[in-house]
Amino acid sequence: EIVLTQSPGTLSLSPGERATLSCRASQSVSSSYLAWYQQKPGQAPRLLIYGASSRATGIPDRFSGSGSGTDFTLTISRLEPEDFAVYYCQQYGSSRTWTFGQGTKVEIK
Amino acid sequence: EVQLVESGGGLIQPGGSLRLSCAASGFTVSSNYMSWVRQAPGKGLEWVSVIYSGGSTYYADSVKGRFTISRDNSKNTLYLQMNSLRAEDTAVYYCARVAITMVRGALRPYYYYGMDVWGQGTTVTVSS
Repeated sequence: EIVLTQSPGTLSLSPGERATLSCRASQSVSSSYLAWYQQKPGQAPRLLIYGASSRATGIPDRFSGSGSGTDFTLTISRLEPEDFAVYYCQQYGSSRTWTFGQGTKVEIK
Repeated sequence: EVQLVESGGGLIQPGGSLRLSCAASGFTVSSNYMSWVRQAPGKGLEWVSVIYSGGSTYYADSVKGRFTISRDNSKNTLYLQMNSLRAEDTAVYYCARVAITMVRGALRPYYYYGMDVWGQGTTVTVSS
């Protein structure tokens, strides 16, 4: 089973700053099967990125995804007040199961 | 409007059973991969189960043999039958649609997966 490890656990930044979130897989993951989600308190998750780098419908272009193999990154170029939330990476495995990372909280500094 | 609405959560004693429902509107459940994801209080997301458009089903090891995913095409509704419930099953349960995007590559097509529509969640509490 592939394990996804996200870092850092918490990122303290100010609005306007750049956020770089990491997702590392315990073994190689197809980029096609790597997605990122945003979750705010009391809300359901929202799909941000699929296929490691494709933005979902309606997602602002300040969000971007990159990476391959075992290392993937979500970048928020300039943080807006509404971007402070928890972010999860997710992969779809060959065993037909899905796995989430443990999440990175982006908080206001 | 594309929407998912869960129901059926509640307080249940350990060892009990519960069935969650997820009513879809704006799209056809049977034409899509549909999944259940849960979130224990204060914790991260945990994938629970998926049903493919063709009917195949898959489960997380933590629920295999106890939970069953199914759908009723006539009602356009997804279900999760949960048996032998444990305290560690306490969570908010979300249903989600899995979007599959095909991109033509140089040699073959690539399929991208992402859960693009989510319900608001229903809370299951397992406690005596």
